[in-house]
Amino acid sequence: EIVLTQSPGTLSLSPGERATLSCRASQSVSSRYLAWYQQKPGQAPRLLIYGSSSRATGIPDRFSGSGSGTDFTLTISRLEPEDFAVYYCQQYGSSPWTFGQGTKVEIK
Amino acid sequence: QVHLVQSGAEVKKPGASVKVSCKVSGYTFISYGINWVRQAPGQGLEWMGWISPYNGDTNYEQRLQGRVTMTTDTSTSTAYMELRNLRSDDTAVYYCARGSPNDFWGQGTLVTVSS
Repeated sequence: EIVLTQSPGTLSLSPGERATLSCRASQSVSSRYLAWYQQKPGQAPRLLIYGSSSRATGIPDRFSGSGSGTDFTLTISRLEPEDFAVYYCQQYGSSPWTFGQGTKVEIK
Repeated sequence: QVHLVQSGAEVKKPGASVKVSCKVSGYTFISYGINWVRQAPGQGLEWMGWISPYNGDTNYEQRLQGRVTMTTDTSTSTAYMELRNLRSDDTAVYYCARGSPNDFWGQGTLVTVSS
């Protein structure tokens, strides 16, 4: 099983700041099969990024993904008030699909 | 417009079974797999398994093998997830999600296991 470790656990930032979230895999993940999701309280997750760097439909371009192998990054260039949420990475290339434990982006 | 609509909240006793449904609309049901993901209170996301509505193939998380069954009914475009021998740590919100990656999600079904 591929274990995904996200860091930091919590990121305290102000609106307008840049957020950089990390996802590290216990073994290599094909970049084709790495996704990022956003989840707000009481809501289902929402797909942001797939294939490590492709934005899902309707996702603003302030969200970007990068990385390969075992190290992946989600960047939010300038935080908007609606971006404060929990973010999860997921690999779906090797069964079982697995999620990271999440990074909470909170308002400083 | 793609929609996945799940059945309502359930309260079950330990040892019982629960069956959650996920009715889809807005796309051809057999064209995408359905994943099931759960989230215990205050915790992260846990992938439970996947089913192909096209041919019924399944892939279950090994820890749930023997307790979970995923099925589909193509006549009603509905996917089902049954979990048996429920324990208190099965208390969670259960989600269905389309495809891999999971591009559309149901609203979630809270299953509470309590004596």
